[in-house]
Amino acid sequence: GQNIDQPTEMTATEGAIVQINCTYQTSGFNGLFWYQQHAGEAPTFLSYNVLDGLEEKGRFSSFLSRSKGYSYLLLKELQMKDSASYLCAVRDPYSGAGSYQLTFGKGTKLSVIP
Amino acid sequence: DVKVTQSSRYLVKRTGEKVFLECVQDMDHENMFWYRQDPGLGLRLIYFSYDVKMKEKGDIPEGYSVSREKKERFSLILESASTNQTSMYLCASFMQGEGSNQPQHFGDGTRLSIL
Repeated sequence: GQNIDQPTEMTATEGAIVQINCTYQTSGFNGLFWYQQHAGEAPTFLSYNVLDGLEEKGRFSSFLSRSKGYSYLLLKELQMKDSASYLCAVRDPYSGAGSYQLTFGKGTKLSVIP
Repeated sequence: DVKVTQSSRYLVKRTGEKVFLECVQDMDHENMFWYRQDPGLGLRLIYFSYDVKMKEKGDIPEGYSVSREKKERFSLILESASTNQTSMYLCASFMQGEGSNQPQHFGDGTRLSIL
């Protein structure tokens, strides 16, 4: 099984940088996803890490350390529209049950203030 | 772009009713999933399917069943709705390939209230 921890809420100022952490304890690991979810909307894919290191995609970057069971999502030049929940999800190793499964953290609600 | 469509955004049903939630995807994905999302609990997997007529239980299958008669459609069934099944239900799909890094794509969700 998987146990995934993220902070429940964070607040940051428009134009600033914020780092959202995710730690996991797992019986196996086959990649980590970050999703963004605005209130009342579907989660949308932000990033994927399977190897250690930093993946950069515009204002968003995601980092993974497999030995530490740790990832973070870095948001730069924050905008008001970045106010949303950010979900960390770990993919199980392929179990032969026909599909990869994701286990989600409870999500971090980010509020961006002027 | 992948399109995952859930039949209703909002649904109100009564205790004891049989409830059907429908999900359709347009990208020929083999894998489809049903989650529920509750405050403080996050997304939890109810059932998933990796092929037509194939289904596997997720973490919280009790009180639910599923049907996958066609590749593009995955239905979640509440056999006898109860108030503790009031929740946001999310459908997702993805294309699986060996070593695939493809993400799951989500529908907009159905907010179901059981009275």
